[in-house]
This record gives sequence, C-alpha cells and structure tokens, in this order.
Amino acid sequence: DAGVTQSPTHLIKTRGQQVTLRCSPISGHKSVSWYQQVLGQGPQFIFQYYEKEERGRGNFPDRFSARQFPNYSSELNVNALLLGDSALYLCASSLNRGPSNQPQHFGDGTRLSIL
Amino acid sequence: KNQVEQSPQSLIILEGKNCTLQCNYTVSPFSNLRWYKQDTGRGPVSLTIMTFSENTKSNGRYTATLDADTKQSSLHITASQLSDSASYICVVRSSGGSYIPTFGRGTSLIVHP
Repeated sequence: DAGVTQSPTHLIKTRGQQVTLRCSPISGHKSVSWYQQVLGQGPQFIFQYYEKEERGRGNFPDRFSARQFPNYSSELNVNALLLGDSALYLCASSLNRGPSNQPQHFGDGTRLSIL
Repeated sequence: KNQVEQSPQSLIILEGKNCTLQCNYTVSPFSNLRWYKQDTGRGPVSLTIMTFSENTKSNGRYTATLDADTKQSSLHITASQLSDSASYICVVRSSGGSYIPTFGRGTSLIVHP
C-alpha cells in the first residue's frame, strides 16, 4: 500500500508569493495533520483535519490555511510568504482523530525555500 | 503548558556502542508517548509507543522506557549501526480536550565508523 504522499518535494518561492502544498493520506485514513519543521527543530503543529472539517489549529498566522477534500486528501496554502516560512512541511495521516494508540504516518514532506 | 524536552540535543558515538536518549514531558492528562526516528530529508517513522501502564517496550535494538510518575522516558539503542544516524523525536499525546500531539525538538544522533 502507498504511504502518505506529498507534492511537490521541493519548491522555491520569493517573498510575497503564495504556495499550495498537497497531501494524499494512506487509503482509509480520515485524519490529516500538517506540520512545519524548521531545520534543527521538531515539527510544529499547524492544522488537523478530520472528516473534511478543521479540528485543530496551531499558533500560526492567518496566512496559513488548509482544507480537506471528500477523498480525504488535503492542501495547505500559505499566502504572502516570508523568509521565515522556509521549512520542511510535513503531512501526517491517521485512521481517526482522537488520542488513540494508532500512529500518525508521515510523508517525506515538501521542502519550501523562500528567497 | 504542555511541553516535551529532549536531551542531549546532539550525540556522537562510535559504531557498535550503546546510547540512551532522554525525554521529559509536562503533558497532562497523559495518553501515550511515542518515539520517532527521522532520517535526514525524510518524514518521521514511529519506533515505539508507550501507554500509561507500560514501563518498557522493545523494537529490535531500540528499547523505550516510561516512568509516568516522574514523566520521563528514555530510548536506548543497543549495538549502534551507521544507519542509526538520524534525529530521534519524542512525541506525547494528551487524553484531554486537545488531541494535538506535543513534539520534542529531537536528539540528533551521529554514529561514526
């Protein structure tokens, strides 16, 4: 079975631009979470979506938005890009939303570089 | 505030040696604690999960321990291999209203031949 897939793998943008990152969860997984990982740090939670609704939001500005589609895939949008948005953006999927013992399965991320 | 602190920040060992990574947390109420391995340029991969009632759990050469009273966990790696070079991240989930997991910053392990 395919794991979590993210696209694109790498992306270069300039300040002020907008970007859309995509994530396809493992088949059957209904929960998708997005994380930002700055080099040398642990992932920081951005959003969780479950059954196409936002279920959690981290401490990120309104420039960050996301949505989940009927097939449970998800997009993360970032507007008005800043240099500090340069990071690895990780998507993780799990079967359900709650604090279960089922793991989150991570994709390999999208490396976003802002010039 | 829920926090997860990991130590050391980085560690260099020789191939074949053992090492222990530490994780202290303040997440409450506690649901589970998971250790992830993250290779450079890849997403994290789950190694072990510990629930409140579990003290020790092994996965091959990886052994995790949990002391729920002191809110500490450790990850012991036995007979290290070059492929163990990675970042090891401790993640704690709460059973409270927020299902958002709390991530540590990770310990960067380098295994030298």
